[in-house]
Amino acid sequence: GAVVSQHPSRVICKSGTSVKIECRSLDFQATTMFWYRQFPKKSLMLMATSNEGSKATYEQGVEKDKFLINHASLTLSTLTVTSAHPEDSSFYICSARRLAVTDTQYFGPGTRLTVL
Amino acid sequence: AQSVAQPEDQVNVAEGNPLTVKCTYSVSGNPYLFWYVQYPNRGLQFLLKYITGDNLVKGSYGFEAEFNKSQTSFHLKKPSALVSDSALYFCAVREANFGNEKLTFGTGTRLTIIP
Repeated sequence: GAVVSQHPSRVICKSGTSVKIECRSLDFQATTMFWYRQFPKKSLMLMATSNEGSKATYEQGVEKDKFLINHASLTLSTLTVTSAHPEDSSFYICSARRLAVTDTQYFGPGTRLTVL
Repeated sequence: AQSVAQPEDQVNVAEGNPLTVKCTYSVSGNPYLFWYVQYPNRGLQFLLKYITGDNLVKGSYGFEAEFNKSQTSFHLKKPSALVSDSALYFCAVREANFGNEKLTFGTGTRLTIIP
C-alpha cells in the first residue's frame, strides 16, 4: 500500500512552453500533497503544500504564478511549470500524506524536467 | 524552527559489516523523525519513523534507528550491510505541532557498500 505515481517520469521541452506534472496516490486518499524540487546532489526543497479543494501554500521564494498547483481530488495533484526556462530544469518530486496516517509522507518516483 | 544535520556526505562500509548513518536534529518541541532512501533517478522510499514510544525503531530491509533525546540524534543502523543498500539516505524531521505539515530534510548521506 501507499503507492504514489508521477507522470511523466521524464520530459524535455523548449524554453517558453508549459509543462504539467501529475501526482497520484494510487491506493489511498491523500488530504495533503507536497511538491519538492531536488537539485543534483542536493537535498529536497519544499516548494508548496497542496490541500484538496483549496489553494496551495507556497514556500518563501517560490513563484506561485510560475509553478501552478491544482489539487482537484483526494488522489490527484498537478504541478504546471509555466513558461519554462533552462533554470527550471530539475528533478521534481511529489509526496502524499495518507488520510488515515497523518504523520508519514509517501513519495512519488519523481519527474526529470529538462528545458532546452 | 526545525532543522536536520547529516554530518557525513559519504559513508563506505564493507559488505557484511554493521553500518551507521548519522542524523541530528533541532526542533522547539517534540520531534517526529523519519528516514528515507533514494535510488538513482527515483523518488524517496520510506524506511522508518519515530513518533512516540520505544526509542528503538525497526523499519524496512532490516534497518533500525535509535531516538536519543538527550543527544538529539536519530542514527540509522543495520547489523550487516548488503551491496544493495548502496543508495542516498535522507533523515527528516517535523515538529509535532498540530497543523505543522512540513518535513525538513537533511542534505543526504551517500552510502556505498563495498563487496
